[in-house]
Amino acid sequence: GAGVSQTPSNKVTEKGKYVELRCDPISGHTALYWYRQSLGQGPEFLIYFQGTGAADDSGLPNDRFFAVRPEGSVSTLKIQRTERGDSAVYLCASSSPGRGEQFFGPGTRLTVL
Amino acid sequence: KQEVTQIPAALSVPEGENLVLNCSFTDSAIYNLQWFRQDPGKGLTSLLLIQSSQREQTSGRLNASLDKSSGRSTLYIAASQPGDSATYLCAVRDGSGGYQKVTFGIGTKLQVIP
Repeated sequence: GAGVSQTPSNKVTEKGKYVELRCDPISGHTALYWYRQSLGQGPEFLIYFQGTGAADDSGLPNDRFFAVRPEGSVSTLKIQRTERGDSAVYLCASSSPGRGEQFFGPGTRLTVL
Repeated sequence: KQEVTQIPAALSVPEGENLVLNCSFTDSAIYNLQWFRQDPGKGLTSLLLIQSSQREQTSGRLNASLDKSSGRSTLYIAASQPGDSATYLCAVRDGSGGYQKVTFGIGTKLQVIP
């Protein structure tokens, strides 16, 4: 596709459940970022992939959060034992090598009841 | 740790006015700085990207400047229109190390009144 896509657009789950959020970056973009955005705040960095490897996962809040990018394209953010505080919009961005301009997807709004 | 501040937090102007949004950052060792707009309930749209070696970038009615040494960037919007109403976010990409962490400000919410 022409841009970054994210699925689902909305996810409602119950406390304690497991969720997976998917990001499909722009073709050819080797860098992929996950962010979390709470209401009235700027995006908060979670994890950065360069190719298949997580180059920086220092933003993941705890070990309930995990992300993979097995083939260097699509990435999945996985959240175990969800808590109400995990409710936010999860944004994905990709960029090409060198220039570093990020292009964002529309986000997944996660609501934990 | 990089910190990014955006001032003002909110701004309301009449249509046609020129305006300036400010972004400041604490660590000047940056790789680049990117300005985005975000409409309510939507993702981020890239407006301008300034590399660390550049002083400014222009796109249509938008002009962004970068002063690395003082840790500041400004986004200038000329002849504002109601369609410019959105939240404007500044993002700084660090230049240190083998990776490039990105830090966002919390944004400036702009309302342009017809």
